[in-house]
Amino acid sequence: NAGVMQNPRHLVRRRGQEARLRCSPMKGHSHVYWYRQLPEEGLKFMVYLQKENIIDESGMPKERFSAEFPKEGPSILRIQQVVRGDSAAYFCASSPSSIDTQYFGPGTRLTVL
Amino acid sequence: AQTVTQSQPEMSVQEAETVTLSCTYDTSESDYYLFWYKQPPSRQMILVIRQEAYKQQNATENRFSVNFQKAAKSFSLKISDSQLGDAAMYFCAYTPPSGSARQLTFGSGTQLTVLP
Repeated sequence: NAGVMQNPRHLVRRRGQEARLRCSPMKGHSHVYWYRQLPEEGLKFMVYLQKENIIDESGMPKERFSAEFPKEGPSILRIQQVVRGDSAAYFCASSPSSIDTQYFGPGTRLTVL
Repeated sequence: AQTVTQSQPEMSVQEAETVTLSCTYDTSESDYYLFWYKQPPSRQMILVIRQEAYKQQNATENRFSVNFQKAAKSFSLKISDSQLGDAAMYFCAYTPPSGSARQLTFGSGTQLTVLP
């Protein structure tokens, strides 16, 4: 059973561009979580999604950030008009239900020039 | 709001020795889950161990065990027979048992160095 897949692993964007981060959960997992890790810090929750639904986006910045988990395909975290402060590692985790352990992907390291 | 505190930014241990990493948390819930995750230089987040708050027995996974003190809201990780591959950043994390607020709340991490 393949683990959680994230791509790209590294993404470089210039200020003002858009960043799209993809996450494919483990097989059989329908719950996806996105976390952000700023340099030298722990992970901070951003958003929790199930297929076609956003369950909790309380950790998501109000502007420029959005997330989706369509019926088919990976979950997407989209950051519009990136700024240098968006530079971070973005981790996706998945679980088979809301009460199960979350398993993490390898992360996407976003660098904004 | 739940908070997780790791008061040891850095720890070191001699290879084959035992080390304990500390974690405290604050919650008003009676049922919840606690985790230790490991983040090696590859940056991958790897689950080390999980503890359900309703279980009195401390969780163990091979060389890793926890000391869960519910009344004190303490959840320390003991690594026995430390190996070079144990060197990593270790994060303690909390989550409520169910419902919409299922996000993990992480501590700030403890960087563990294993000395040969």
